[in-house]
Amino acid sequence: SQQGEEDPQALSIQEGENATMNCSYKTSINNLQWYRQNSGRGLVHLILIRSNEREKHSGRLRVTLDTSKKSSSLLITASRAADTASYFCATAEFYNQGGKLIFGQGTELSVKP
Amino acid sequence: NAGVMQNPRHLVRRRGQEARLRCSPMKGHSHVYWYRQLPEEGLKFMVYLQKENIIDESGMPKERFSAEFPKEGPSILRIQQVVRGDSAAYFCASSPASYPSYEQYFGPGTRLTVT
Repeated sequence: SQQGEEDPQALSIQEGENATMNCSYKTSINNLQWYRQNSGRGLVHLILIRSNEREKHSGRLRVTLDTSKKSSSLLITASRAADTASYFCATAEFYNQGGKLIFGQGTELSVKP
Repeated sequence: NAGVMQNPRHLVRRRGQEARLRCSPMKGHSHVYWYRQLPEEGLKFMVYLQKENIIDESGMPKERFSAEFPKEGPSILRIQQVVRGDSAAYFCASSPASYPSYEQYFGPGTRLTVT
């Protein structure tokens, strides 16, 4: 069954605004990762947050993780047109030593100049 | 350091033909994962391989699909007797180890179209 579910499915904002995407999951996890996918392209790894971490920053990205609520959020500050893409969360389950990732359905972000 | 390479980037097959998708992991990576992405959906795990071993194939369809990662050469995802429902983007990823805390590096994908 699908692990992550993302909200919203689509988000449209103006350049300079902040974008927040949420992800919920169902099982215990080792870590949660966020990826970006430009239309028709491969996935680019953005950030990994471990289950014992609550918040992580990377440039204009801020990720939070709440294991009690089984949810995570990705905040992109001061968005740019180049941030237009689909964003996916992916979880690595705690008991799975194989490292496979389980992806959410994604949020399609559109940043208008 | 070249990234994960996949070829071909686009593949068109008629129903009933075979499709072979290749993946060369990043240098130094011995763990390979295959994922499938149907239109408008997220990626679904298919199979996880190490050199000469299939570790987890829980996401592979029971029939027509197979994967290998030989001692020498790229990993191959093989789909026999393709059907229209196999049309999708197939992504390969690699990592330096299997422990879940390693990020996976993705290739550009192979877009398979079955006519």
